Amino acid sequence: DSGVTQTPKHLITATGQRVTLRCSPRSGDLSVYWYQQSLDQGLQFLIQYYNGEERAKGNILERFSAQQFPDLHSELNLSSLELGDSALYFCASSVAGGKREQYFGPGTRLTVT
Amino acid sequence: AQKITQTQPGMFVQEKEAVTLDCTYDTSDQSYGLFWYKQPSSGEMIFLIYQGSYDEQNATEGRYSLNFQKARKSANLVISASQLGDSAMYFCAMREGGASTGNQFYFGTGTSLTVIP
Repeated sequence: DSGVTQTPKHLITATGQRVTLRCSPRSGDLSVYWYQQSLDQGLQFLIQYYNGEERAKGNILERFSAQQFPDLHSELNLSSLELGDSALYFCASSVAGGKREQYFGPGTRLTVT
Repeated sequence: AQKITQTQPGMFVQEKEAVTLDCTYDTSDQSYGLFWYKQPSSGEMIFLIYQGSYDEQNATEGRYSLNFQKARKSANLVISASQLGDSAMYFCAMREGGASTGNQFYFGTGTSLTVIP
């Protein structure tokens, strides 16, 4: 158990819908990262937050947005969902800005039908 | 060009033997970090080992060691004394960038390791 929690574990929704994925980092970790893992794209970095502020952006679509709240939990919002958004979404956390190891949550499996 | 290249889609190793998983990377940054993660069939991502670009010694964590060859831009993972529980997908990853430009993280396509009893 990495100490990072993600909810929900599974999510099935229809195209065009909007969903919110939630992540609670390990106690004491200030940085949160979001990743997408799909069969065709592999593991892709989406976005990083550090202590409530956006720190870095990767291959995040404009239909996706994220935020980190004062209690350091983070949410990833996916809107206008398409079949290709079906993937495993991981949240990870680290103590500082990413110079060392990140601890991954169990992931949220999103299926868009 | 791919930032992280893992050329071995699948590897087999006999239990108790050592195995090397290959990883090469591409960056022009002077400061970067290299990671290895394990993903069992259950799906979670488990951090194994980290090597900073300025670290002079190869990183080691228990049975895992990272063979860091900076000039060759390679960061191979060595697992000693393989165990059945080591059967999993292994991902090499790199962090580049920094405070001013923001970190970017890149993952390889993974190597599936099977440990044979």
